[in-house]
Amino acid sequence: KAGVTQTPRYLIKTRGQQVTLSCSPISGHRSVSWYQQTPGQGLQFLFEYFSETQRNKGNFPGRFSGRQFSNSRSEMNVSTLELGDSALYLCASSLGGTGGSYEQYFGPGTRLTVT
Amino acid sequence: SQQGEEDPQALSIQEGENATMNCSYKTSINNLQWYRQNSGRGLVHLILIRSNEREKHSGRLRVTLDTSKKSSSLLITASRAADTASYFCATGDGATNKLIFGTGTLLAVQP
Repeated sequence: KAGVTQTPRYLIKTRGQQVTLSCSPISGHRSVSWYQQTPGQGLQFLFEYFSETQRNKGNFPGRFSGRQFSNSRSEMNVSTLELGDSALYLCASSLGGTGGSYEQYFGPGTRLTVT
Repeated sequence: SQQGEEDPQALSIQEGENATMNCSYKTSINNLQWYRQNSGRGLVHLILIRSNEREKHSGRLRVTLDTSKKSSSLLITASRAADTASYFCATGDGATNKLIFGTGTLLAVQP
């Protein structure tokens, strides 16, 4: 099976702009989660989508949003970019479900630099 | 916010030696997972241990979990240069796939 893919891999944006990142999960996986990784804050959970519904959300401002399509592909959007949004954004897919314990498969990440 | 901390923050050993990393967490968990990350790339899942398990093995990896102390350890035996990476523990609540990550341990294995 193909792994989790994320596009683009690298992105440079200017403060105030918006950006959309894309994630294609492993075939058959219905859960997609997004994480932000920075040197200062480490790995922080952004949100999780399962069957097109946001199931969980981390402590990020409303500028961070996401969605999931019927084929389980997911996008996350960041509006009004700030310098502090510079980070590695990681997408992870999983079989999902509830009441269970599932390992997650991560994509290579999108490196976003805000200038 | 992060669930807890990992100790040590950095570890340097020689090839063939064993490496032990510790993870502490704060809240009740359903499972604890360990991941490896090479040079700012994506994370690779290593092992998952459920809250009702005390020890688990996978190849050269041994994980222990002590829920009374809210701690876990990862032992890598007979380390190799290719094991050089950052290692993260992450806790799951079992209801969703949200993971809360620790601060990570940077392991350097010298050839």
